[in-house]
Amino acid sequence: KQEVTQIPAALSVPEGENLVLNCSFTDSAIYNLQWFRQDPGKGLTSLLLIQSSQREQTSGRLNASLDKSSGRSTLYIAASQPGDSATYLCAVRDTGGFKTIFGAGTRLFVKA
Amino acid sequence: GAGVSQSPSNKVTEKGKDVELRCDPISGHTALYWYRQRLGQGLEFLIYFQGNSAPDKSGLPSDRFSAERTGESVSTLTIQRTQQEDSAVYLCASSLNSIYGYTFGSGTRLTVV
Repeated sequence: KQEVTQIPAALSVPEGENLVLNCSFTDSAIYNLQWFRQDPGKGLTSLLLIQSSQREQTSGRLNASLDKSSGRSTLYIAASQPGDSATYLCAVRDTGGFKTIFGAGTRLFVKA
Repeated sequence: GAGVSQSPSNKVTEKGKDVELRCDPISGHTALYWYRQRLGQGLEFLIYFQGNSAPDKSGLPSDRFSAERTGESVSTLTIQRTQQEDSAVYLCASSLNSIYGYTFGSGTRLTVV
């Protein structure tokens, strides 16, 4: 059974700092991994999608990497801003049941 | 449509009443998912539709919960005899097919009083 873990559960950083959010998964048989952002009381916004054959994806200040063999993904945020404050969720799409399993998220707070 | 649309955005209902939540997926998206998110918690998978295949209902928490989808269009999630523990945000997502990324709706916040 696929399990997705995100570390840390919460993170507070000063504005301008570069930071890394971690996601690990137990079963490497995946189709893809997706990073989402969730603002309080809102739905999820997709940030980056990495297919199983890819190693990384970039969008603006965000870079996500995928190491399927070790069951790890990282989301790198460069030059963090207060507007980046949100919960970041990692989600893994299994090859088995076509379900997507979500991690519990990392709550990020960027201080001005 | 341009995105996944969910209605209502908020619903307050009395314990014991039935509620129906609606999801309009992105046009052409064959896969549709329902998730539940309780306050301060992660996403809990409820049900998955893929085209005309039989849905994966393995996440439905009890027989009070049911969902329907006609073809590749609108889906409704019905909760019968609501309980206070059903209070949560119900999120719908659609995908081009089962191996592509998700697009989520803004959710329906259900409060059972």
